[in-house]
Amino acid sequence: DTEVTQTPKHLVMGMTNKKSLKCEQHMGHRAMYWYKQKAKKPPELMFVYSYEKLSINESVPSRFSPECPNSSLLNLHLHALQPEDSALYLCASSLRGGGNTEAFFGQGTRLTVV
Amino acid sequence: GQNIDQPTEMTATEGAIVQINCTYQTSGFNGLFWYQQHAGEAPTFLSYNVLDGLEEKGRFSSFLSRSKGYSYLLLKELQMKDSASYLCAVRDQASGTYKYIFGTGTRLKVLA
Repeated sequence: DTEVTQTPKHLVMGMTNKKSLKCEQHMGHRAMYWYKQKAKKPPELMFVYSYEKLSINESVPSRFSPECPNSSLLNLHLHALQPEDSALYLCASSLRGGGNTEAFFGQGTRLTVV
Repeated sequence: GQNIDQPTEMTATEGAIVQINCTYQTSGFNGLFWYQQHAGEAPTFLSYNVLDGLEEKGRFSSFLSRSKGYSYLLLKELQMKDSASYLCAVRDQASGTYKYIFGTGTRLKVLA
């Protein structure tokens, strides 16, 4: 199984809503990532978890709150988002170490904030 | 800081060869990856270089020069399905944690 599964695939939310994005992998990867991708732009790193601990927060606004409940799951909690937060949110995972260990990406959640 | 640059767009003809360049500046280089991304889909892994030289994988090859901060992806025998964005990503270890930083991306159009 070399899959990273993200749910939901599409999400429309109002600016006062609270919602969560979910990501799951069963490859035994201990590093997990959230990326944000706007149209025709590359993915931008938001958060990195290593062994279920938050290792990197790339100065992301607090309206985005990540959580890693266990080694297979990664959540992104959303609250009071702005229309400019509309984007494709990609989850990825990799073996924690270096070497020939690429990051595997999920299909993403396309988020629209109205 | 980190800077990873690629040409924005390229066009090539079916059956031809195309080279997509990537230049980078990072403080904790730990490997360079190439991904392909079709519109609205996830990036998929194509190739990896950590040492200087050429890595070949079927129709795709990737080259790295660490001293020059330069890589390229070579696509041979282009097919229509190769129309996609190609992303160069540097794995950086400067902060003690591995992270994958993407370049600006190159949109490739393959014409019949």
